[in-house]
Amino acid sequence: QSALTQPPSVSAAPGQRVTISCSGSDFNIESNDIFWYQQVPGTAPKLLVFDNNKRPSGTPERFFGSKSGTSATLAISGLQTGDEADYYCGTWNDRLRIVVFGGGTKLTVL
Amino acid sequence: QVQVVVSGGRVVKPGRSLTLSCRTFGFSFANYAMHWVRQVPGKGLDWLGVLSYDGSGEYYTDSVKGRFTISRDNALDTTYLLMNRLTFEDTAFYYCARDVAFAEITLPRDWGQGTLVTVSS
Repeated sequence: QSALTQPPSVSAAPGQRVTISCSGSDFNIESNDIFWYQQVPGTAPKLLVFDNNKRPSGTPERFFGSKSGTSATLAISGLQTGDEADYYCGTWNDRLRIVVFGGGTKLTVL
Repeated sequence: QVQVVVSGGRVVKPGRSLTLSCRTFGFSFANYAMHWVRQVPGKGLDWLGVLSYDGSGEYYTDSVKGRFTISRDNALDTTYLLMNRLTFEDTAFYYCARDVAFAEITLPRDWGQGTLVTVSS
C-alpha cells in the first residue's frame, strides 16, 4: 500500500484543465517537499515538478504544483493528447527515512 | 547533457544474486546522491534506496533492507545495485536516477531507461 494516496484515474477533454491530488500525512507531505513525475507507458519516469512548485527546464508552464498541509495537487491546463501518461507524486518520509511514491494516476485525454 | 544508462538485467534463478550497473554522463557524479527504483510491469513506482554523494549515507526501503546494497565508484561515475537472495517478487524493471539536489538527498531527477530483471526457475 502506497504511503501517498492518488486517484487511480482522471480524464478531461483537450484544452481543458485537470487536477491530480496527492494526500499523505504530517511526517511526509506536510514536512517535506513534493515532487511530481510523468511516465508515458514504456518509458522511464520524467521529473515534472520539484520542491512543490518548481519546474525543471523542459516542463511547460501548463503544469503547476501546489501543496497545502498534508495534501498536494498537480494541475495541468490546456490539456494535450501528448499529456496522456501516468503521474506519480513522491516525497521523503521523515519517520521511515525513505522516499515514498503515490500509487499513480492515469490521465486520459478524451 | 545528462545521461543515465542502466545495465545488467537478465533472467536469474530464485535465491541467486545479481548486480546492476548504472553509468552516468554529463554531470559531476561525485556531487549527487543516486537512487534505485523498480517497477513491476503495469504497476507503480517502488523506491528501493539511495546512496549519498560521498557514500556516507544510505537508506533502503524495508522490503530490500539487508538483501540489496547500493554502492558507487566516483572515479567511474557509476553506481551499482547488488541484489541477494532474489525472489519471484523481485521481477521488475529497475531504474537508477540522479538526485535533484547538489550534495543532498531529496528525490530522483534524471532517470535511466530501466533494465528488466526476471526471477524465474
